[in-house]
Amino acid sequence: QSALTQPASVSGSPGQSLTISCTGTSSDVGSYDLVSWYQQHPGKAPRLMIYAVSTRPSGVSNRFSGSKSGNTASLTISVLQAEDEADYYCCSYAGHRTPVVFGGGTKLTVL
Amino acid sequence: QVQLVQSGAEVKKPGASVKVSCKASGYTFTRYGISWVRQAPGQGLEWMGWISADTGNTNYAQNFQGRVTMTTDTSTTTAYMELRSLRSDDTAMYYCARDCSSWFCVDGHFDYWGQGTLVTVSS
Repeated sequence: QSALTQPASVSGSPGQSLTISCTGTSSDVGSYDLVSWYQQHPGKAPRLMIYAVSTRPSGVSNRFSGSKSGNTASLTISVLQAEDEADYYCCSYAGHRTPVVFGGGTKLTVL
Repeated sequence: QVQLVQSGAEVKKPGASVKVSCKASGYTFTRYGISWVRQAPGQGLEWMGWISADTGNTNYAQNFQGRVTMTTDTSTTTAYMELRSLRSDDTAMYYCARDCSSWFCVDGHFDYWGQGTLVTVSS
């Protein structure tokens, strides 16, 4: 059982926007602005899409954005494209003893 | 460009050990750390632990304490992860990822990843 809760799947049509949620607790997501998001295509390594809640690394499309409210972080993908179809994982700092916790992942399907 | 290149797939019997390598290039190795993350087939990501490439300091996730050892060789800019007493549920893809050099900034922000090493545990 993952420490952070994500929906198992989401879907959308090309051009639409959608949001993936990531719910933690006051011990992780709620206490630190240290949430990252990863995209993983089948058979590939994860790719960092967002860190520190809302910062995009160089090279990541500005169609990807992150936010947080309370114990829930969100990844929003605007103008959905076929290439966005992948698994998405959230990750949060959770304190000094166990600093890194992941969500269970969300499979994004582009209809 | 930054690259992390991992060793090839392994097949091990239950009770054996496996040692996976992660060769880093394209950056100053000792200015960063390495975290190891695994992914069982069809499952999510699980953080295993972290090592500072500079000091060799480590911190292991509770689930792996006592069974995992992470090391680095600065002369070859290579990180290693050894997992002992393998069980069938250790069958997974194991990834190395570039991380912070200090334990105090390890926060799940991994900007570069290796390609993964599949470890299969089967009798």
